[in-house]
Amino acid sequence: GQQLNQSPQSMFIQEGEDVSMNCTSSSIFNTWLWYKQDPGEGPVLLIALYKAGELTSNGRLTAQFGITRKDSFLNISASIPSDVGIYFCAGQLQGGSEKLVFGKGTKLTVNP
Amino acid sequence: KAGVTQTPRYLIKTRGQQVTLSCSPISGHRSVSWYQQTPGQGLQFLFEYFSETQRNKGNFPGRFSGRQFSNSRSEMNVSTLELGDSALYLCASSLSGTSGSGQETQYFGPGTRLLVL
Repeated sequence: GQQLNQSPQSMFIQEGEDVSMNCTSSSIFNTWLWYKQDPGEGPVLLIALYKAGELTSNGRLTAQFGITRKDSFLNISASIPSDVGIYFCAGQLQGGSEKLVFGKGTKLTVNP
Repeated sequence: KAGVTQTPRYLIKTRGQQVTLSCSPISGHRSVSWYQQTPGQGLQFLFEYFSETQRNKGNFPGRFSGRQFSNSRSEMNVSTLELGDSALYLCASSLSGTSGSGQETQYFGPGTRLLVL
């Protein structure tokens, strides 16, 4: 079945540093989504990407949809303590299927 | 606009029992999807409902079932609970319009944490 390879698995950084994480797949996805999940809560949508090559920003967050539709990256600039959490990439298949395929997540720790 | 709501937030059951979880989507959203999240398997798709019909289904046993009502609210049922069913069950809703238009973007509720003893 479809699988998303998300890396790194975890990151420990200092406040103020930039962060980069990415997802790759052997399958082509119609849409790429990046979510953040805090403990005990559901994932919160950060950025949605709909077009190959699309680069989208949301404040300090920037994400890009790969040209081949098989990968995406998320950058966080000037990290702050509240960026702590687990970041998930998710791909939505072509054909309008509502099913999301998730990566395993990147756990981010920010040291003040 | 209110977000996706799920009830109950926490639940403790014993093996062999059955459980029903509820999800109210964002107003105007017609698609509701359910996911199971565990530390070992991560987030896995259970099924999706649109206009009271199951439109997509993941690879879960028949003990997992769901339904959707005319107001788009959805329920998920798990029968004959097993220890391995302990998980965070997440519901997500979307407008479910044309693929690639953004209307299929899914928004998650806070989840129901189920513990099976």
